[in-house]
Amino acid sequence: DAKTTQPPSMDCAEGRAANLPCNHSTISGNEYVYWYRQIHSQGPQYIIHGLKNNETNEMASLIITEDRKSSTLILPHATLRDTAVYYCIVRVFGGATNKLIFGTGTLLAVQP
Amino acid sequence: ETGVTQTPRHLVMGMTNKKSLKCEQHLGHNAMYWYKQSAKKPLELMFVYSLEERVENNSVPSRFSPECPNSSHLFLHLHTLQPEDSALYLCASSQGSQFPASTDTQYFGPGTRLTVL
Repeated sequence: DAKTTQPPSMDCAEGRAANLPCNHSTISGNEYVYWYRQIHSQGPQYIIHGLKNNETNEMASLIITEDRKSSTLILPHATLRDTAVYYCIVRVFGGATNKLIFGTGTLLAVQP
Repeated sequence: ETGVTQTPRHLVMGMTNKKSLKCEQHLGHNAMYWYKQSAKKPLELMFVYSLEERVENNSVPSRFSPECPNSSHLFLHLHTLQPEDSALYLCASSQGSQFPASTDTQYFGPGTRLTVL
């Protein structure tokens, strides 16, 4: 089972910041938080990941709370092309592989 | 473009057919993955290969047979499928768990939309 909880859907006005929340209260100390998005019927696209510090790249910012029990993905200026399902994933380590366990994500609808 | 390609992009097959899905990564990665995404369901991990060795098989029926001839190519051979196997099949690759966790990011291909009649 996925170790994260996300709202099923959110709306955002074009040009405004989109803030997508994620709860991961059972996260372990060495587990990373990853964000992917999936535009309809395409492969998931990697956005960003972090361990405990806030991270920023050309796509988004990731804010992780100090207790690491929740995080927020921020798209600073949402466009219509950002409409997608956004997945917050806690990486599960162990064995010979590092797994991504996808949940149902948040459907972000950017409105014109 | 993520550096991971999949062919074909769409496939329609009958239950008695045999077909293969192909995945190729141009990223120099050592690990490759097959996922299945059925309608309105989360992605499910099917198989994991690391350095061409299968390291994970998540209780996938034997009618799905993976093959990893080298670190750049991954196949999923299909035979006697059922209509409920219709789904989007996604391939991904990553550097591999032998690398630091902070850099072992998975990159996905565009997927193959499979319809079983």
